[in-house]
Amino acid sequence: GESVGLHLPTLSVQEGDNSIINCAYSNSASDYFIWYKQESGKGPQFIIDIRSNMDKRQGQRVTVLLNKTVKHLSLQIAATQPGDSAVYFCAESPHTDKLIFGTGTRLQVFP
Amino acid sequence: GAGVSQSPRYKVAKRGQDVALRCDPISGHVSLFWYQQALGQGPEFLTYFQNEAQLDKSGLPSDRFFAERPEGSVSTLKIQRTQQEDSAVYLCASSLGGGGDTQYFGPGTRLTVL
Repeated sequence: GESVGLHLPTLSVQEGDNSIINCAYSNSASDYFIWYKQESGKGPQFIIDIRSNMDKRQGQRVTVLLNKTVKHLSLQIAATQPGDSAVYFCAESPHTDKLIFGTGTRLQVFP
Repeated sequence: GAGVSQSPRYKVAKRGQDVALRCDPISGHVSLFWYQQALGQGPEFLTYFQNEAQLDKSGLPSDRFFAERPEGSVSTLKIQRTQQEDSAVYLCASSLGGGGDTQYFGPGTRLTVL
C-alpha cells in the first residue's frame, strides 16, 4: 500500500507509555484546531478538536492542549497501544472552512 | 453508518490523459471539500462546496483542474491533460454544515501519472 510520511519526524514510544505530539501553527487568526490520525493507505481520521476559547480538551485516552500565546498545539495519548501507530497531523482553520494541515509526525509504538 | 466513499481508489494515467475522480459524501452533509496530498506531506486544500455552490476554489493549482457538485451531493474532480506533477492522493471530505464543523475524510484516490 501507499506510505504516508516517508521522511516525517518520528516519535518512538514503548507500548503502555504516554505519547506527546507537538505542532506549531502559523496563523494567529485561527480559531479551530483539529488532530487527525492517518494510517497507510487510508484517509485522515478525526481524533479530537478544540476551539480557541479553550486551553484543554479531553477525549478517550487523548488530550489536546492549546497555547495561543506561542501558537502551539499538542496531542497527548495515554497508555499508547500498537494500534496508535500512524502519522498524526494537526490542522487549523483561520475563520474559513478549509483546513490548513501541518507537516505531520509519525508515531511508532514498540512492544 | 456509511462514511465518505471515493472511486476509483487507484488510477494510473498516461501524461496528457483526462481523469475524473468521484466522491460520495456522508448522506445529508452540506459541505464537501477536496484536498491533494503529495507523498510525505499533509493534505492541501483544493476547493470547497456548500450544497451545489462552489464557494472557494483558491487551491486549484491550474485551470486544468475542475470540480463540480451539480445536485449538491456527489462531486467529481476532473483533471485535464494530466502531468506527472499531478501524481498524488486526492482526498475528499464532507461536513454536516460549514464554518468549523468536523470534516470527515474518505480513503482517497491515488493518482499516478506516467
